[in-house]
Amino acid sequence: QEKVQQSPESLIVPEGAMVSLNCSFSDSASQSIWWYQQHPGKGPKALISIFSNGNKKEGRLTVYLNRASLHVSLHIKDSQPSDSAVYLCAVSITGYQNFYFGKGTSLTVIP
Amino acid sequence: EAAVTQSPRSKVAVTGGKVTLSCHQTNNHDYMYWYRQDTGHGLRLIHYSYVADSTEKGDIPDGYKASRPSQENFSLILELASLSQTAVYFCASSSQGSYAEQFFGPGTRLTVL
Repeated sequence: QEKVQQSPESLIVPEGAMVSLNCSFSDSASQSIWWYQQHPGKGPKALISIFSNGNKKEGRLTVYLNRASLHVSLHIKDSQPSDSAVYLCAVSITGYQNFYFGKGTSLTVIP
Repeated sequence: EAAVTQSPRSKVAVTGGKVTLSCHQTNNHDYMYWYRQDTGHGLRLIHYSYVADSTEKGDIPDGYKASRPSQENFSLILELASLSQTAVYFCASSSQGSYAEQFFGPGTRLTVL
């Protein structure tokens, strides 16, 4: 069973739209959740992290964590063409020295 | 800004040959990681290290060796390259373990023929 599952696989939205990305994880002993952005031909780059239940806002990004339902979401407000990329959800598990990554959501923002 | 570099950026290897991928970081980070990325699988951890001269197995270590001769350098070695090892390989570093941000290099595209 995959430890981290993301949905949708891909998303196409018009410029200015609100984008919602979802991530479910299987281990309740998760420590932290990170969202990474990956442009074609580049390495992933961290966007935002959350450790506690609730939400966290940074600029146009808001992340919501619900540990009871093992679910985290990333919302991008006023999306821009430069936001077009693959978004990866990474979850760390207590006792492990690494993250588990989801397969990603490919986002395309149409001008 | 944190910097992780990888070499080579791309490589074509023959089946059964030896391949060495190199990673260098100037972040003064203790932790370094090697991942592979494949379509349909996402990022998977091969090996990691949290101190020089020591390496640990990740989730998919079979067919790979790792070497950490110094804090700054971390290599991934494929002793007998196989077709199934065709992928993009990423190196990353972080200041702490599982809850710290990881800084990724630009990746190495490896094709095994």
